Amino acid sequence: QKEVEQNSGPLSVPEGAIASLNCTYSDRVSQSFFWYRQYSGKSPELIMSIYSNGDKEDGRFTAQLNKASQYVSLLIRDSQPSDSATYLCAVSTRGGADGLTFGKGTHLIIQP
Amino acid sequence: EAGVVQSPRYKIIEKKQPVAFWCNPISGHNTLYWYLQNLGQGPELLIRYENEEAVDDSQLPKDRFSAERLKGVDSTLKIQPAELGDSAVYLCASSLLPTDTQYFGPGTRLTVL
Repeated sequence: QKEVEQNSGPLSVPEGAIASLNCTYSDRVSQSFFWYRQYSGKSPELIMSIYSNGDKEDGRFTAQLNKASQYVSLLIRDSQPSDSATYLCAVSTRGGADGLTFGKGTHLIIQP
Repeated sequence: EAGVVQSPRYKIIEKKQPVAFWCNPISGHNTLYWYLQNLGQGPELLIRYENEEAVDDSQLPKDRFSAERLKGVDSTLKIQPAELGDSAVYLCASSLLPTDTQYFGPGTRLTVL
């Protein structure tokens, strides 16, 4: 049984600070890792994907992957109120040849 | 480029009634997924299609759920009969293999009374 674990929050961060979101996964053969953002009442929107150990940066977002520790994280720099949402961590085992296994999501609140 | 289209957006039915959801993936995407999302949970995969073939339906409750993807484009997910516990958001996603980036449609929110 593949599992993806996230702290459900809420995680409250002041505007302009760095928000740090964490995720662990159980299946060691997982190959692809994704962060989706989901606003209330909306569908998940892809914000980052990462496949190799280390950091991947895209604008204010940085994804970090440590396969040895089975750990994925997302950093949001200069947090804005519009970043307030639920962030879903998702994992794929066969690089797209299967569906995604999602965590329950972390509810992030950016305080103005 | 148009995104994934789903209809209806909302559906309210009484228990034991049938219901169907429709999905049109992003043009050219060969892989289509149906997910179920309960409140406060992440999406859970129900079925995955590669072209016309259902390559993973292990999580689809086959006693009441069925799906089809005719001609490898549009897909329909059906529930018959619906139960109270089926109230959830049904999400459709598509991707273009070999890339594994999945794009989600707006979802159909089902309420079973």
